[in-house]
Amino acid sequence: DVKVTQSSRYLVKRTGEKVFLECVQDMDHENMFWYRQDPGLGLRLIYFSYDVKMKEKGDIPEGYSVSREKKERFSLILESASTNQTSMYLCASRALGGQAFFGQGTRLTVV
Amino acid sequence: SQQGEEDPQALSIQEGENATMNCSYKTSINNLQWYRQNSGRGLVHLILIRSNEREKHSGRLRVTLDTSKKSSSLLITASRAADTASYFCATDEASGSRLTFGEGTQLTVNP
Repeated sequence: DVKVTQSSRYLVKRTGEKVFLECVQDMDHENMFWYRQDPGLGLRLIYFSYDVKMKEKGDIPEGYSVSREKKERFSLILESASTNQTSMYLCASRALGGQAFFGQGTRLTVV
Repeated sequence: SQQGEEDPQALSIQEGENATMNCSYKTSINNLQWYRQNSGRGLVHLILIRSNEREKHSGRLRVTLDTSKKSSSLLITASRAADTASYFCATDEASGSRLTFGEGTQLTVNP
């Protein structure tokens, strides 16, 4: 079975902190994605990566950065956390053109 | 902005009835995918339809795709209470690896 693992299920951080959300997949997938999900807004794409060290901005990249140094790992970084970044964060991976496999999500609260 | 827009936002039906959800999108696609999300969980892939296909079936699911109208529909036949969930369409854009989701349809199936 494909497994996408997010490092934390729940996270509470303070305003201004640098926050790292980690995602690891075990299927040698080329594509990896970070989304945030808020009530009534569906899933919004933050960043995605189509290969190691390659990344592209999604629809809402402001306040975020990403890192993909190894194929299996895709990290989302909140440079200086703010309360409006309180959300559910979902990581996904897939083979090129295929279906996406999702992690269990990280519910981040910024206080 | 969201690539896919689902309609309706919410749907409530009785067990045994059929449920139809629609998705419209804006750009050229390689394929369109439908996902399901139970409350507070990650998304699970249901079905993928390629841009050169018009209809696809999987069990009680039927998906249609009209690329001229840039729209798709998901039909769940003989619905069950266990089908209660949020359903999302996602577009695999032809211009690259981007996978973009809509806002989802909340389906409630009453016993």
